[in-house]
Amino acid sequence: DVVMTQTPPSLSVAIGQSVSISCKSSQSLVHSDGKTYLNWLLQNPGQSPKRLIYQVSNLGSGVPDRFSGTGSEKDFTLKISRVEAEDLGVYHCVQATHVPFTFGSGTKLEIK
Amino acid sequence: EVQLVETGGGLVQPGKSLKLTCATSGFTFSTAWMHWVRQSPEKRLEWIARIKDKSNNYATDYVESVKGRFTISRDDSKSSVYLQMNSLKEEDTATYYCTGLGAPYWGQGVMVTVSS
Repeated sequence: DVVMTQTPPSLSVAIGQSVSISCKSSQSLVHSDGKTYLNWLLQNPGQSPKRLIYQVSNLGSGVPDRFSGTGSEKDFTLKISRVEAEDLGVYHCVQATHVPFTFGSGTKLEIK
Repeated sequence: EVQLVETGGGLVQPGKSLKLTCATSGFTFSTAWMHWVRQSPEKRLEWIARIKDKSNNYATDYVESVKGRFTISRDDSKSSVYLQMNSLKEEDTATYYCTGLGAPYWGQGVMVTVSS
């Protein structure tokens, strides 16, 4: 199974700061169709996860452009520019290239 | 508005069965590949099953830990996806979500507790 190593496990940031979260996979996430199925999710406290970014860098509908995703092959990053209060929660990366699909261990973002 | 509503959870004894239902609306269900994902009490997410659409012969995939015990299915006429869970174990205790995974739909989740 593909192991997704997500770091850091937690972050505490002030409103307006920028942060980055890393997700590294144990093997390339490039699918045989040429696409890379690496998504980022945000789970606000007490809520279901919601999709932020799909296929590495595509912003989901309605997601603020303060969020951006970069990376390729095995190394991926989620960046949040100008953190806002509504961004608190747990961020998850998930690969949907290789069955079984697998998640990172999550990054908990707290607001100072 | 996209909606996914999971039902069928509850408290069940080890070895027993439970069937989860996810009723959806607001998107083209018949062409959507649907998944079940669970979240343990420790909050770790785990993908457990996927079902493709009719054009892909409703093909299914499972994580190893549930193969032979869980069955994912769908009814396109009802825009619903199901998870039949047999031979439940205490480690199956979790909140279960139906989702499009790469697509922007997640249900609110339903809790399953396996305990004697």
